[in-house]
Amino acid sequence: DTGVSQDPRHKITKRGQNVTFRCDPISEHNRLYWYRQTLGQGPEFLTYFQNEAQLEKSRLLSDRFSAERPKGSFSTLEIQRTEQGDSAMYLCASSSRDLNSPLHFGNGTRLTVT
Amino acid sequence: AQSVAQPEDQVNVAEGNPLTVKCTYSVSGNPYLFWYVQYPNRGLQFLLKYITGDNLVKGSYGFEAEFNKSQTSFHLKKPSALVSDSALYFCAVSPNAGKSTFGDGTTLTVKP
Repeated sequence: DTGVSQDPRHKITKRGQNVTFRCDPISEHNRLYWYRQTLGQGPEFLTYFQNEAQLEKSRLLSDRFSAERPKGSFSTLEIQRTEQGDSAMYLCASSSRDLNSPLHFGNGTRLTVT
Repeated sequence: AQSVAQPEDQVNVAEGNPLTVKCTYSVSGNPYLFWYVQYPNRGLQFLLKYITGDNLVKGSYGFEAEFNKSQTSFHLKKPSALVSDSALYFCAVSPNAGKSTFGDGTTLTVKP
């Protein structure tokens, strides 16, 4: 169990640019989640995958956000035309298929939009 | 829709004293309840979970949590706090295998 890894750890970008983050889950986990966390708030659900299928996406998620998990392993989260309000910590988590399985989180990618 | 409330932004206790971090939830059906801890510059780590059965759940690092269905609460407890327990604690609820909903967190500070 090498844990969930996220890349990059930090990303600074100018408003209007596109950014892409990568997440590598624990290898035997088939569920993968993306959350966003801002200061003073708990993680906010963005989307989740079971294998390569995206099963749920937050209604609050702008169309500028898209996530993929093409082979059911790693996942990418892309934000197009970034805005200052997108500045946050983006967290990836994975879990096994068991209904009661806890989430295993990566250390996150901190995005700063200037 | 599910929701979680952590009514205290901050909890301060002296080392060696018992601690309680409060959590109440709202969910349709039977809940899956979790506590996670976040240390500075680290990802969230799982502490314990309630699925069904005993109302007192034991977890990592000596923590336990008490499930109370009538009060829809899932308070985190520890009989004797350590300075190293100082961290940010999150309660979460999940009605199924999908998304978990998190509270806004409680900062626990344990003073020597």
